[in-house]
Amino acid sequence: DAGVTQSPTHLIKTRGQQVTLRCSPKSGHDTVSWYQQALGQGPQFIFQYYEEEERQRGNFPDRFSGHQFPNYSSELNVNALLLGDSALYLCASSLRQIYTEAFFGQGTRLTVV
Amino acid sequence: GQQLNQSPQSMFIQEGEDVSMNCTSSSIFNTWLWYKQDPGEGPVLLIALYKAGELTSNGRLTAQFGITRKDSFLNISASIPSDVGIYFCAGRTGGTSYGKLTFGQGTILTVHP
Repeated sequence: DAGVTQSPTHLIKTRGQQVTLRCSPKSGHDTVSWYQQALGQGPQFIFQYYEEEERQRGNFPDRFSGHQFPNYSSELNVNALLLGDSALYLCASSLRQIYTEAFFGQGTRLTVV
Repeated sequence: GQQLNQSPQSMFIQEGEDVSMNCTSSSIFNTWLWYKQDPGEGPVLLIALYKAGELTSNGRLTAQFGITRKDSFLNISASIPSDVGIYFCAGRTGGTSYGKLTFGQGTILTVHP
């Protein structure tokens, strides 16, 4: 049973560019959350998707957007990249109906230069 | 916004020693979670607490949900080298905020053989 898988594992982008990160939830899970983890910090909640809609959002600008597909996989898009967007981006999946705790993927390390 | 203060920031201990770390908040949480994160990996759930005053164990790990709902602690008994890593507390308010976790800054644990 595959856990949460994220791609790519590492990515280098230039300031001003756009990036798309991908997440496949754990089998049977229907809810995907995204977190940003800066170096030396705890993860910070970006947003959560359920039934292909954004359900909750943290304190992140509109440059951060997402999408959930019918197969429950999800994408995180970041536009107009800033140096400060460099971080580990974590995807977590859960099953909403039975309020399971989230399983985290290994993350995508984004470096903006 | 909500913030979790986790202490200590780092610990250096000898194998076999017991470890204690705690997390405090200015706000009330309905759920407290403790995660461990190894380098290059996503956080892994260790213990989940859902009731004020609850004391829960998972092997050598014991965690408690503070009765004020504003704090939690984690104890690790008889530490071993594989306990090395970063430990995070996380809180959730529940209800319409289901899914959104607020994380502490982490405690870096080093165990000397």
